[in-house]
Amino acid sequence: QKEVEQDPGPLSVPEGAIVSLNCTYSNSAFQYFMWYRQYSRKGPELLMYTYSSGNKEDGRFTAQVDKSSKYISLFIRDSQPSDSATYLCAASQGGSEKLVFGKGMKLTVNP
Amino acid sequence: EAGVVQSPRYKIIEKKQPVAFWCNPISGHNTLYWYRQNLGQGPELLIRYENEEAVDDSQLPKDRFSAERLKGVDSTLKIQPAELGDSAVYLCASVRDRHNEQFFGPGTRLTVL
Repeated sequence: QKEVEQDPGPLSVPEGAIVSLNCTYSNSAFQYFMWYRQYSRKGPELLMYTYSSGNKEDGRFTAQVDKSSKYISLFIRDSQPSDSATYLCAASQGGSEKLVFGKGMKLTVNP
Repeated sequence: EAGVVQSPRYKIIEKKQPVAFWCNPISGHNTLYWYRQNLGQGPELLIRYENEEAVDDSQLPKDRFSAERLKGVDSTLKIQPAELGDSAVYLCASVRDRHNEQFFGPGTRLTVL
């Protein structure tokens, strides 16, 4: 079992839809949780960053972490075609420790 | 501020040839990482540097891979000899402080024929 599991999709939605992306993890020592967005042939771009449990909102994006169930979520409201990309969840034990990534979910938002 | 710079962006070589990748992290970022991303997968750590010291190289295939970070700034990752299975995107990342907000470069896409 990988430490971070993510359904690789792909996922296709119409413009304006609410998108829900999810990951689970197995390592209880993880304290930091991130979502990265990766466009084709580009490096991952940090989208959301959360420490421990709770919610974090930034514009149309909301990240949730539930440490009791080891569940990580990203919600995208009013999705746009420009949101079409691969979304990677990641976790780390903290400090400058390595990030452990999920496989990535390819999202397509259709106009 | 400038982002993480990597070169080359693309490299095509034949198997058994050597190859090297270069990374310049964001100014002031003391921690530098090399990750490898296979097609359809998330990045996986190869090596982590704190300044010029390699503090986590447990996943670096040391028989053919080597890395250095002289003077604690830019870094070079080398493969010698390359194998077909080394075809992947090699990503460099750096972090400003202990809160682990890693910033990635654009990557080097390696194709081994």
